[in-house]
Amino acid sequence: KQEVTQIPAALSVPEGENLVLNCSFTDSAIYNLQWFRQDPGKGLTSLLLIQSSQREQTSGRLNASLDKSSGRSTLYIAASQPGDSATYLCAVAGTSYGKLTFGQGTILTVHP
Amino acid sequence: EAGVAQSPRYKIIEKRQSVAFWCNPISGHATLYWYQQILGQGPKLLIQFQNNGVVDDSQLPKDRFSAERLKGVDSTLKIQPAKLEDSAVYLCASSLDRGAEQFFGPGTRLTVL
Repeated sequence: KQEVTQIPAALSVPEGENLVLNCSFTDSAIYNLQWFRQDPGKGLTSLLLIQSSQREQTSGRLNASLDKSSGRSTLYIAASQPGDSATYLCAVAGTSYGKLTFGQGTILTVHP
Repeated sequence: EAGVAQSPRYKIIEKRQSVAFWCNPISGHATLYWYQQILGQGPKLLIQFQNNGVVDDSQLPKDRFSAERLKGVDSTLKIQPAKLEDSAVYLCASSLDRGAEQFFGPGTRLTVL
């Protein structure tokens, strides 16, 4: 059974800092890995999707890496802004039906 | 392109009552998912449809939860009877196919009193 863990559970940083969110998973037989953002009371917004054959993906100030063999992914946010404050969720898709298994999320607060 | 639509956005019921949620996925998306998100946790998959067939319902409490996807488009999720522990946000998502990027709706927040 796939288990996904995210560290830290919460993070508070001043504006402008570069930061790293961590995600680990127990079963390396994955189809892909997705990072999502969730604002309070809202649904999930997809940020980046990394296929199992890829090592990283970039979108603007976001960069996600994947090391399938060690069961780890990181989300790097450059030059953080108050608008980046949200919960960030990592999810791993299994190889059979693409079912997503989520971590519990990292609550990020960026203060001015 | 319109996103995933869900209704209602909020619902408050008493335990042992029944409730139904509706989801309209992105046009052309073959795969539809229902997730349950309890406060402070990540979403948990309840059921996954491929067109109008179920491919995974292993975590659906089948004694009280049911779901259908008519004509491979819209879907409804029903709870009957509701329990206090069903209080959660119910999220619907869709993707072009299995394993593709998933797009989520705004969710329905259910409170069971």
